[in-house]
Amino acid sequence: GAGVSQSPSNKVTEKGKDVELRCDPISGHTALYWYRQSLGQGLEFLIYFQGNSAPDKSGLPSDRFSAERTGGSVSTLTIQRTQQEDSAVYLCASSLLAGGGETQYFGPGTRLLVL
Amino acid sequence: DAKTTQPPSMDCAEGRAANLPCNHSTISGNEYVYWYRQIHSQGPQYIIHGLKNNETNEMASLIITEDRKSSTLILPHATLRDTAVYYCIVRVAGVSDYKLSFGAGTTVTVRA
Repeated sequence: GAGVSQSPSNKVTEKGKDVELRCDPISGHTALYWYRQSLGQGLEFLIYFQGNSAPDKSGLPSDRFSAERTGGSVSTLTIQRTQQEDSAVYLCASSLLAGGGETQYFGPGTRLLVL
Repeated sequence: DAKTTQPPSMDCAEGRAANLPCNHSTISGNEYVYWYRQIHSQGPQYIIHGLKNNETNEMASLIITEDRKSSTLILPHATLRDTAVYYCIVRVAGVSDYKLSFGAGTTVTVRA
């Protein structure tokens, strides 16, 4: 079946603009995760959804970042008033259930460049 | 991930088996060994995982030592498309360990 998809694949925006990043998880996966990866850096956890609820938002860097998930499926990560330090690859992953024993499958990422 | 150590890089010849080692000497009984890889400019790709038995799927084999302190990922017939950074991590089989964290991994270069 289809894997995790993300859109757009690339986004160039000007400092101060808002951006929306979309993630379509694997069908039937109840857990969804957002990470970001800066150039040459490791994964940075942002937020985790179980169904439509976000039990853990601890990784969101500031209140400019928000995310929602609707219908237990699609998720949108919104960054308001983008800053240059927001430039990174934003990765979405999903798993059938939540937890450490569950395999997370990643999407291709959205490459965000803030000028 | 601080719980695992991997060599920083390795080369292998196309068509030959690639054996990637990972040490996890402090692994607990309820921790799985997971392998992911990340090809340049792509998202991480799940490869395989195991608890204590050896595992095989269409991508690779995972050999875990009896004491579980180390493991080897085997790519049976490496191709140029297998060039990537390979990450070995351990994860607790519980609800709380959902934040994936990769260490430096092993940069594998497959040469023609």
